[in-house]
Amino acid sequence: GDSVTQMEGPVTLSEEAFLTINCTYTATGYPSLFWYVQYPGEGLQLLLKATKADDKGSNKGFEATYRKETTSFHLEKGSVQVSDSAVYFCALSDQVDDYKLSFGAGTTVTVRA
Amino acid sequence: DARVTQTPRHKVTEMGQEVTMRCQPILGHNTVFWYRQTMMQGLELLAYFRNRAPLDDSGMPKDRFSAEMPDATLATLKIQPSEPRDSAVYFCASGLVRLVSYEQYFGPGTRLTVT
Repeated sequence: GDSVTQMEGPVTLSEEAFLTINCTYTATGYPSLFWYVQYPGEGLQLLLKATKADDKGSNKGFEATYRKETTSFHLEKGSVQVSDSAVYFCALSDQVDDYKLSFGAGTTVTVRA
Repeated sequence: DARVTQTPRHKVTEMGQEVTMRCQPILGHNTVFWYRQTMMQGLELLAYFRNRAPLDDSGMPKDRFSAEMPDATLATLKIQPSEPRDSAVYFCASGLVRLVSYEQYFGPGTRLTVT
């Protein structure tokens, strides 16, 4: 079945540092890929998505590129802020599985001033 | 700004009591999901509906959990009787299935504590 593996945390960074969270996937079909973010005490929010190979999703300074050859969708941000402290989830949905989301375990990111 | 709403936001109850959680999906969305989030298990899909019909509830303990959609604007998740191991944050999410893909939009969650 479909699955997502993402970099284990927690990750602690200083403000303005570069952030990368690795995500790889296994899927039987041609999935869409997502990054969701969860701030403390809140629900998950869609951060960005990509629906086909080589697509780049971007939002709020975050980027991720759908790499079919390496089955990866790594999240990057060039200069993090304290407000980026959150849990980040990589996910995929696949028509084969009726578009249900398969989530990674989540990566906790803490940005220090 | 359309949002998924959930009530209550917090619930503390004693073991054996009935708990009902409610969700109002975004208007026009045809698919509603219930998830449970715990530190140990992460995010688990409990059940989901499309056009109000239950499609999969294999993630729910059948003997105590039930999920329904009495109408397009309301989804409910009920636990009877509740147990301490049910303590978790329960999220509702909704989405509109499109040809290629669709996003799920999450509510703020109900934090359940069973003592």
